[in-house]
Amino acid sequence: AQKVTQAQTEISVVEKEDVTLDCVYETRDTTYYLFWYKQPPSGELVFLIRRNSFDEQNEISGRYSWNFQKSTSSFNFTITASQVVDSAVYFCALSEAGAGGSYIPTFGRGTSLIVHP
Amino acid sequence: NAGVTQTPKFQVLKTGQSMTLQCAQDMNHNSMYWYRQDPGMGLRLIYYSASEGTTDKGEVPNGYNVSRLNKREFSLRLESAAPSQTSVYFCASPKREGKGEQFFGPGTRLTVL
Repeated sequence: AQKVTQAQTEISVVEKEDVTLDCVYETRDTTYYLFWYKQPPSGELVFLIRRNSFDEQNEISGRYSWNFQKSTSSFNFTITASQVVDSAVYFCALSEAGAGGSYIPTFGRGTSLIVHP
Repeated sequence: NAGVTQTPKFQVLKTGQSMTLQCAQDMNHNSMYWYRQDPGMGLRLIYYSASEGTTDKGEVPNGYNVSRLNKREFSLRLESAAPSQTSVYFCASPKREGKGEQFFGPGTRLTVL
């Protein structure tokens, strides 16, 4: 079973629309870390946000906001007033404790967001 | 600071050839990871190294070997390349042993014919 599920494979919106990217995770650990990364068409991976399991506060950064709900094991990402430059593949990731003290990341399959002008 | 560097950026191999992908980080992190990215599959962990001198298998280790040469360098070797190993390979190094954000290299696009 996938540990990180991004059920939306592709989302297409028109500029200025709001869009929410869903992320559902599965873990038995009480301490874990959640992340979102952006991969624009140029291919590099860009870190967006990190949340630890003890911090359920929502966060807003400009047009971006994140909603973390432990009760539903979800960490959703909303872009307000989308822009063409937001077109990218977005990955949600979960880090849990592994062997040797490292936290081992698992990535979702990604959601491709296409913003049309 | 360059962060994480990878070489080469592109490579074409014939089936059965071998090659080594190089990765280096200048952030003094303990952990380093190798991923492969295939269409629709996200990033899958091949091998990781929690610290200098240690390596462990990730989700898809078959057909690969790794070496943590020192704290800075973590190489990935394909001994006998197969078409199924055609992929984009990313090296990464996280802050705080995986609890923090990961810094990714620019990626290596490998094609095996």
